[in-house]
Amino acid sequence: EIVLTQSPGTLSLSPGERATLSCRAGQSVSSSYVAWYQEKPGQAPRLLIYATSTRATGIPDRFSGSGSGTDFTLTISRLAPEDFAVYYCQQYADSLWTFGQGTKVEIK
Amino acid sequence: QLRLQESGPGLVKPPETLSLTCTVSGDSMSSSFYSWGWVRQPPGKGLEWIGTIDYIGSTYYNSSLNSRVTISVDPSKNHFSLWLRSVTATDTAVYYCARCVMGVASYFDSWGQGTLVSVSS
Repeated sequence: EIVLTQSPGTLSLSPGERATLSCRAGQSVSSSYVAWYQEKPGQAPRLLIYATSTRATGIPDRFSGSGSGTDFTLTISRLAPEDFAVYYCQQYADSLWTFGQGTKVEIK
Repeated sequence: QLRLQESGPGLVKPPETLSLTCTVSGDSMSSSFYSWGWVRQPPGKGLEWIGTIDYIGSTYYNSSLNSRVTISVDPSKNHFSLWLRSVTATDTAVYYCARCVMGVASYFDSWGQGTLVSVSS
């Protein structure tokens, strides 16, 4: 089982600022199988990014993903008020899925 | 438009079996492009993958739950189900069903709204 470690646990930023979220895997993963989700209270997770850097349908271009090997990053170029939420990375390998523990992006 | 809806008891007594069904509407479940999965989220915690089932009925489970979990699918009824045996309070969580895109990239593209299951005597 591949463990994903997200950092930081909490990111305190102001609207308009840039957010950089990290996801580190315990071993190398295929970039095709890394995704990012946004979760807001009382709502189901929402797919943001798949295959490391491809935005899902309807996701604004202020969201971008990058990385390879064991290190992956979700960047929100300029935080909009609706972007304050919890973000999870996810990987898939050998028919098994794992999620990171989440990064909370909160209003400073 | 694809829609997934979880259903089942909101309260289960330990050490009984938790049973949930996910009804899929708006698309067929028979495509090889998709698998169907369950994810849970204990109160105040992160997401935990429980297991998935593919279009031919092959199942894959989280090793931490493997001995207690079963997932089945009935494409003719457009639903799939989760059974989790011998539950304890630590199984209290919001349970989500989701569609998994499988192929050159794999990810959960559609989710149910989630259902809270509490385990308590």
